[in-house]
Amino acid sequence: NAGVTQTPKFQVLKTGQSMTLQCAQDMNHEYMSWYRQDPGMGLRLIHYSVGAGITDQGEVPNGYNVSRSTTEDFPLRLLSAAPSQTSVYFCASRRARRSYEQYFGPGTRLTVT
Amino acid sequence: QQQVKQSPQSLIVQKGGISIINCAYENTAFDYFPWYQQFPGKGPALLIAIRPDVSEKKEGRFTISFNKSAKQFSLHIMDSQPGDSATYFCAARGADRGSTLGRLYFGRGTQLTVWP
Repeated sequence: NAGVTQTPKFQVLKTGQSMTLQCAQDMNHEYMSWYRQDPGMGLRLIHYSVGAGITDQGEVPNGYNVSRSTTEDFPLRLLSAAPSQTSVYFCASRRARRSYEQYFGPGTRLTVT
Repeated sequence: QQQVKQSPQSLIVQKGGISIINCAYENTAFDYFPWYQQFPGKGPALLIAIRPDVSEKKEGRFTISFNKSAKQFSLHIMDSQPGDSATYFCAARGADRGSTLGRLYFGRGTQLTVWP
């Protein structure tokens, strides 16, 4: 199993550009989520999905969209990048909403200039 | 409002010493308290976890102590090693029905450095 994979690993955007961060898992997990990690701020939930076709907002959803058309994939879209979105983004998955162990991907480091 | 407060922000420990990281939570509707370990350039990985009906859980050199009445829990790393140098996050999982069910709330992290 590859686990949770994310692409790209690094990305530089100009203000106003849009892009999609890709996330995929091969563990047949129902629950997937996106976090951003900023220095001194911990991991903050952006959006999450409890299954294909179902998504919901987390703590910091503004400026981001998600969709979940398949169990495996959970892309995160930045609509119009802003410098405040410079961060490290982690995708994570777990078997179900009440499952204990959550698996994280390796992260995408995004810089918006 | 921060649901889980973690301290200290950074910690330097001599090899062989004990590392202690503390967390406190506000909401009583949490049903699971995991700790994650993150090495530079990697994603966090589950280290150890505890349920609120247990006061202590030990796995090797890592121990969680849980005080339900004080709404506090802590991670103790015995015989700390340079390989333990990492960022540690505590978390609490929401138990209320609704959108917070199953959501993990993370502390802000503690950067641990163990000197050889």
